[in-house]
Amino acid sequence: GAVVSQHPSWVICKSGTSVKIECRSLDFQATTMFWYRQFPKQSLMLMATSNEGSKATYEQGVEKDKFLINHASLTLSTLTVTSAHPEDSSFYICSANPLRATEAFFGQGTRLTVV
Amino acid sequence: KQEVTQIPAALSVPEGENLVLNCSFTDSAIYNLQWFRQDPGKGLTSLLLIQSSQREQTSGRLNASLDKSSGRSTLYIAASQPGDSATYLCAASFYTGTASKLTFGTGTRLQVML
Repeated sequence: GAVVSQHPSWVICKSGTSVKIECRSLDFQATTMFWYRQFPKQSLMLMATSNEGSKATYEQGVEKDKFLINHASLTLSTLTVTSAHPEDSSFYICSANPLRATEAFFGQGTRLTVV
Repeated sequence: KQEVTQIPAALSVPEGENLVLNCSFTDSAIYNLQWFRQDPGKGLTSLLLIQSSQREQTSGRLNASLDKSSGRSTLYIAASQPGDSATYLCAASFYTGTASKLTFGTGTRLQVML
């Protein structure tokens, strides 16, 4: 199957700093990628749709100025958590599809801890 | 808005038992349905993908069914093993033309006891 690589797998940062998470499609191009968030003991919730060459689309309740998404190429989307606070601590995971494939492939996820 | 629900929320069974996990979704216009496994603190492992035109898929001891008309899917695990202990998530997929946007269920936390 297709491979989606996410980096870093875990990160600890101080409150008030920003953290960038990368999502790469290694062996295919993806015009659209999705970012999800999972709080402890909860399911995954879609945060935003990342569109190559255009602005991301955010789900209701997700602050676009706090979670900056950049999809600058067909193989890379980045999520930057700006001015992170402890309540942003969560598991963030991205997904992408090869073109004309309907199965979503997921990155390994990034566990963010804000202290 | 699509909602996906899984029951039971948690399940504990003795080793060797066959079991069924249930998933229900509110919008029958799904493109496909995926079942995932998630180990504690880890990412997702894709188990089975059922296209909307299919009724079931099998992989080893796993069998997943899909009934769009009733908005239900089941994951059947045969001869359960302690290594099957994990959280199982189902996700209904809506294809946007370039990617599959998933709505995840609430998950079933499975423990298989020795």
